[in-house]
Amino acid sequence: EIVLTQSPGTMSLSPGERATLSCRSSQTVSRNNLAWYQQKPGQAPRLLIYDASSRATGIPDRFTGSGSGTDFTLTISRLEPEDFAVYYCQHYGSSSPTYTFGQGTKLEIK
Amino acid sequence: QVQLVQSGAEVKKPGASVKVSCKASGYTFIDYYIHWVRQAPGQGLEWVGWINPNSGATNYAQKFQGRVTMTGDTSISTAYMELSSLRPDDTAVYYCARVLIPRAQRWFDPWGQGTLVTVSS
Repeated sequence: EIVLTQSPGTMSLSPGERATLSCRSSQTVSRNNLAWYQQKPGQAPRLLIYDASSRATGIPDRFTGSGSGTDFTLTISRLEPEDFAVYYCQHYGSSSPTYTFGQGTKLEIK
Repeated sequence: QVQLVQSGAEVKKPGASVKVSCKASGYTFIDYYIHWVRQAPGQGLEWVGWINPNSGATNYAQKFQGRVTMTGDTSISTAYMELSSLRPDDTAVYYCARVLIPRAQRWFDPWGQGTLVTVSS
């Protein structure tokens, strides 16, 4: 069973700064099987990135997904006030199939 | 626009069952899988299972097999998730989510607003 480990657990940054969020898998995964979601307090998650680097509809281009193998990254180039939220990575395993989430990274205002 | 609207909050006693609904609009219901994901208070996301509304086929996370049943009513574009033998640690917000691409199984977009299920004696 694949385990996704996100780091850091909490990140404190200021608007305008660059955020780099990490998602590490316990096994090599296909790029096509990794996604990122954003969740704001009291709201449902929202799909940001799928297939490791494809932006979902309506997602600003300041959000970029990258990585391969066991290491994946979500980069937010210049933080806007509305970007402060919790971010989850997710793996899709086609064999069972299974859907595994990381534990999340909370991005908070410094 | 595509929208998923879930039923309201529920309070149940241990051992009871709960059935949550998810009404879809703005797209062809049978073309997209529906997933269910739950989130315990202050915790992360946990996948529960999916249903293919076209065929009725389901796939459940091993943790929930034997306790969860997912169904769909194509006449009213609504998916249901029933969880039985409830325990206090089933207390969570339960989300339904449509898949991104027709007839595919992965990537959840959009999501319903969530339904809080509280299990308490």
